[in-house]
Amino acid sequence: GNSVTQMEGPVTLSEEAFLTINCTYTATGYPSLFWYVQYPGEGLQLLLKATKADDKGSNKGFEATYRKETTSFHLEKGSVQVSDSAVYFCALINNAGNMLTFGGGTRLMVKP
Amino acid sequence: DADVTQTPRNRITKTGKRIMLECSQTKGHDRMYWYRQDPGLGLRLIYYSFDVKDINKGEISDGYSVSRQAQAKFSLSLESAIPNQTALYFCATSDLAEGPDTQYFGPGTRLTVL
Repeated sequence: GNSVTQMEGPVTLSEEAFLTINCTYTATGYPSLFWYVQYPGEGLQLLLKATKADDKGSNKGFEATYRKETTSFHLEKGSVQVSDSAVYFCALINNAGNMLTFGGGTRLMVKP
Repeated sequence: DADVTQTPRNRITKTGKRIMLECSQTKGHDRMYWYRQDPGLGLRLIYYSFDVKDINKGEISDGYSVSRQAQAKFSLSLESAIPNQTALYFCATSDLAEGPDTQYFGPGTRLTVL
């Protein structure tokens, strides 16, 4: 079956530091890949997505590139802010498009 | 996002009680989902519905049931709650026209079973 593995957190960074959160996946076929973000006390929000190999999703300064050869979709941001503190979830959707599979989530804490 | 609302937001109950969690949406989406979130496990799909007459089991449906009363309403029931159902529950919606991969989540219901 499909699965998503994320680096465990929490990840603690100082403001303006570079962020990488690793995500690898196992899936049959050609899934679409996503990053969702969950701010404290809220539901998940779609941050970015990529639907085919070598696509780069980007939003709010975050980027992730769909790497089929390494089955990865690592999230990066060049300069994090305190307001980026949240839990980040990597996810994929199967070919049938009916079920999102989530990773375990990575908590990011950004200190001033 | 107020387009997807969940009630109640918090609930504490006892083992063996029947519990219903409700989800309403004003987005006009056909597809609705129920997930539970446990620390370190991410979100796992319980049930999903692609329209009013369509109900499908997800990854972890045992111990749960659902009802799609209308396009805008999707309820999750625990017939006889047990402590390991203590979790954060999320409802989500999506629209095929926009893409089934873009899901909009409600704020969550924190359920504690004693």
